[in-house]
Amino acid sequence: AQTVTQSQPEMSVQEAETVTLSCTYDTSESDYYLFWYKQPPSRQMILVIRQEAYKQQNATENRFSVNFQKAAKSFSLKISDSQLGDAAMYFCAYNSGYALNFGKGTSLLVTP
Amino acid sequence: DGGITQSPKYLFRKEGQNVTLSCEQNLNHDAMYWYRQDPGQGLRLIYYSQIVNDFQKGDIAEGYSVSREKKESFPLTVTSAQKNPTAFYLCASTMEGGTYGYTFGSGTRLTVV
Repeated sequence: AQTVTQSQPEMSVQEAETVTLSCTYDTSESDYYLFWYKQPPSRQMILVIRQEAYKQQNATENRFSVNFQKAAKSFSLKISDSQLGDAAMYFCAYNSGYALNFGKGTSLLVTP
Repeated sequence: DGGITQSPKYLFRKEGQNVTLSCEQNLNHDAMYWYRQDPGQGLRLIYYSQIVNDFQKGDIAEGYSVSREKKESFPLTVTSAQKNPTAFYLCASTMEGGTYGYTFGSGTRLTVV
């Protein structure tokens, strides 16, 4: 199975600042999809952003953007102008074609 | 509104007992999934089903069973063979291929008492 690695168990950012969460993955496929999910204290999984591997352009959704480096198999999430509501667990996920494979998550703390 | 409904929200199981977690979706999605979440472990795939009357084992299927008799429903049974069932269980669904991501239910917290 493809593996997804999130090397930062915890991160902290001050309100209004920028933070980057790291994710690497292992695959031999050339066409695939990558996702970032947010899980707030309610534990509801919320899709943050999606990247298609065959697209060179990095995906952006408002304050959230990714740095997708296909050759390096890296897929980091940048959160700009951090808000208190961004505090959550963030999971990187790879679509293997039959299921999503998730990393172990990064807990993001946002301080005032 | 379309979505996925998981019930119950909290479930308590006695030793040696089988329990069933419900997952229903009205999104007309073809594929459904069960994940288990433990602290520090991320989400691990238990079972998935891409069409009615067919399902496949995921990475941690031992001690679990599922059925897919209707497109809308994908119940998960935690059997007495699952020695460490205390966890948070998430159900998800997607259109075939899942290229636009999955929709998740709100989860069931199972505790052994």
